Amino acid sequence: DVKVTQSSRYLVKRTGEKVFLECVQDMDHENMFWYRQDPGLGLRLIYFSYDVKMKEKGDIPEGYSVSREKKERFSLILESASTNQTSMYLCASSPGTIPYEQYFGPGTRLTVT
Amino acid sequence: DQQVKQNSPSLSVQEGRISILNCDYTNSMFDYFLWYKKYPAEGPTFLISISSIKDKNEDGRFTVFLNKSAKHLSLHIVPSQPGDSAVYFCAASAVGSNYKLTFGKGTLLTVNP
Repeated sequence: DVKVTQSSRYLVKRTGEKVFLECVQDMDHENMFWYRQDPGLGLRLIYFSYDVKMKEKGDIPEGYSVSREKKERFSLILESASTNQTSMYLCASSPGTIPYEQYFGPGTRLTVT
Repeated sequence: DQQVKQNSPSLSVQEGRISILNCDYTNSMFDYFLWYKKYPAEGPTFLISISSIKDKNEDGRFTVFLNKSAKHLSLHIVPSQPGDSAVYFCAASAVGSNYKLTFGKGTLLTVNP
């Protein structure tokens, strides 16, 4: 079974703090993704990575950065957290083969106060 | 511009009846379509997929239909069960997209006992 784990289920941070969200997958997948889910907006892609040290911007990268130093680990960084970054953050990984199925972690509910 | 649209934010059906969830898309380059199911406080889980060269794919109680000319797909759940109550996301992947998925905003299905 594919397992994608995220470092925290719930996180509360203050405005201006630097926030690290970590994601680890155990299936040697090439591709990893970070999404945020907000009511009425669905899943929106923040960043993704198709190889170690490679990254590409998604649809809403502003205010975020990522790091992928090892194949199994993909980190999302909020450089200076703001209240509009309060959301559910979901990490996913994919082997990149048809039908391009992505496997998701349980999510991190981040609240910025 | 929203390339994958789920126009019904919610759907309510009786246990044992058929649930039909709809999805429309605009990008002719999409070649694979997937359905995900998401319970609250959990990550989405893959349900079923269909290639653009097919018009139907069936897996147990779940069937996905694809109408390429109308750029429309639907997920049928028969018979519906209370445990099917969740948010359902339609997603699509385009040729040459680096395996990215484009998600719809989701439809909340409630199956009443």
